[in-house]
Amino acid sequence: EAGVAQSPRYKIIEKRQSVAFWCNPISGHATLYWYQQILGQGPKLLIQFQNNGVVDDSQLPKDRFSAERLKGVDSTLKIQPAKLEDSAVYLCASRSGGRALEQFFGPGTRLTVL
Amino acid sequence: SQQGEEDPQALSIQEGENATMNCSYKTSINNLQWYRQNSGRGLVHLILIRSNEREKHSGRLRVTLDTSKKSSSLLITASRAADTASYFCAPGGSNYKLTFGKGTLLTVNP
Repeated sequence: EAGVAQSPRYKIIEKRQSVAFWCNPISGHATLYWYQQILGQGPKLLIQFQNNGVVDDSQLPKDRFSAERLKGVDSTLKIQPAKLEDSAVYLCASRSGGRALEQFFGPGTRLTVL
Repeated sequence: SQQGEEDPQALSIQEGENATMNCSYKTSINNLQWYRQNSGRGLVHLILIRSNEREKHSGRLRVTLDTSKKSSSLLITASRAADTASYFCAPGGSNYKLTFGKGTLLTVNP
């Protein structure tokens, strides 16, 4: 079974630029999550999708971050404009749905904002 | 919040020794999961324990849950250098969300 795919793996941008990250979850997984992990901390949930609908985006800084999962499969997370404090690893995870609780994580995208 | 808090923040042991990490949380949960993160394999699910369970085993892992004390522990027996990683507990509620703490950094010295 293929795992969660993310791209790019690394990205370096200047502050105020925009950036987008892509995630393809495990096939058939209904729930998709985006996390932000700052160095030395645990992952922090940004947004949770169930199929193509948003379940929870309470911790997403909506003035600069946006995310979509148009067809209920892959997803894109965008930052515009980026700030220095957005430097982090952005992790995508998926869960199959129903009563399954385990989340499967992708390798992450390491973002550096200069 | 559901966020777990791991203790200790860092742990260094010799290969072959056992490692114990603890997790505390503040609200009611219906499950608690432990994850491991290293540079090689990223963030990986290790074990899940439901709120009606007290102890669970998986290979060299043993996890306990005490809902009255709102705490959990993860024991790794006969540790190996490959167990070097950060370990996170993630208390889970009915909303299928996980809230991670800062983790315990385990170093296993050969």
